[in-house]
Amino acid sequence: GAGVSQSPRYKVAKRGQDVALRCDPISGHVSLFWYQQALGQGPEFLTYFQNEAQLDKSGLPSDRFFAERPEGSVSTLKIQRTQQEDSAVYLCASSLVSRELFFGSGTQLSVL
Amino acid sequence: GQNIDQPTEMTATEGAIVQINCTYQTSGFNGLFWYQQHAGEAPTFLSYNVLDGLEEKGRFSSFLSRSKGYSYLLLKELQMKDSASYLCAPLDSNYQLIWGAGTKLIIKP
Repeated sequence: GAGVSQSPRYKVAKRGQDVALRCDPISGHVSLFWYQQALGQGPEFLTYFQNEAQLDKSGLPSDRFFAERPEGSVSTLKIQRTQQEDSAVYLCASSLVSRELFFGSGTQLSVL
Repeated sequence: GQNIDQPTEMTATEGAIVQINCTYQTSGFNGLFWYQQHAGEAPTFLSYNVLDGLEEKGRFSSFLSRSKGYSYLLLKELQMKDSASYLCAPLDSNYQLIWGAGTKLIIKP
């Protein structure tokens, strides 16, 4: 596609439910980033892939968060046993080299 | 540690000029990005500086001083559509973007 695609656009989950957020980066982009953005704040780094390798996952807030990119293209961010504090916008971004990032529209997660 | 400092909010008048300042401290440095983010939308790229000096791109210009850990974004001929948050994001030694909370710019007629 022409841009980074994320789905779903909105997700409402009950506390304790597992969710999976999908990111389809721009074709050929090597680097893929996941960010969490709370209302009124800047994006907080979660994890980074270069192709299928997860090079940095230092930003994942707990072991309930898991990300994968098995074939070096589409990535999935999974959150297990969701908590209210997980409510945020989850942004995915990709880049050809570690320069300009292209962002998807994000997934707005609301945990009730 | 790593730190970004930008004003939380600024107000300017349509047609005027505004300068948004950013100071940063990072582990290594590989350039600095400015992004624009409208409410409810993803950030969009505005500029990237890796060398000292001013980069001009239409109504927007970005300045970098690496020795001072300082950058600014200059917006000229402000339009109502420029009302948004402006995020300063340096790239650290691992090529990871370090994000601040951004500056919310309010444009008044």
